Amino acid sequence: EIVLTQSPGTLSLSPGERATLSCRASQSVSSSYLAWYQQKPGQAPRLLIYGASSRATGIPDRFSGSGSGTDFTLTISRLEPEDFAVYYCQQYGSSPTFGQGTKVEIK
Amino acid sequence: EVQLVQSGAEVKKPGESLKISCKGSGYSFTSYWIGWVRQMPGKGLEWMGIIYPGDSDTRYSPSFQGQVTISADKSISTAYLQWSSLKASDTAMYYCARLGIEGGPRNWFDPWGQGTLVTVSS
Repeated sequence: EIVLTQSPGTLSLSPGERATLSCRASQSVSSSYLAWYQQKPGQAPRLLIYGASSRATGIPDRFSGSGSGTDFTLTISRLEPEDFAVYYCQQYGSSPTFGQGTKVEIK
Repeated sequence: EVQLVQSGAEVKKPGESLKISCKGSGYSFTSYWIGWVRQMPGKGLEWMGIIYPGDSDTRYSPSFQGQVTISADKSISTAYLQWSSLKASDTAMYYCARLGIEGGPRNWFDPWGQGTLVTVSS
């Protein structure tokens, strides 16, 4: 099973700042089968990024994904008030797993 | 519009059985894998398993194999998650979600259902 480790656990930032979230895999993620989701309190997760770097339909371009192999990054270029949430990475290879999440909170 | 609508919250006692549902609409139900994700209180997301309603091919996470059963009734576009004997540790929010593209099991979840809260308590 591929273990995904997200860092940091919590990111304290102000609106307008840049957020950089990391997702590191215990072994190589094949074909960049890596997705990112956003979850707000009391809501279901929402897909942001798939294939490591492709934005889902309707996702603002301030969200971007990058990386390959074992190291992946989600970047939010300028935080908007509605971006404060928990973010999860997921690898969807042969036995899919999620990371433990990174909480982006208002500083 | 693609939608997944889940059944309502459940309160059960340990040892009881339960089957929760997820009804898909707005797309060809038999052409996309659909799966289940657990979120225990205050915790992260856990991938449980997926099913292809077209032929009922089912894949489970090793952590959930033998603990739950995933099924689907394509005649009514509904997927199910069931337990034969609940434990207190099954208390969680359960989400269903469709895989993003037709056919293959190796892709992302999109969209998601609204979640079903299962509480198991004596």
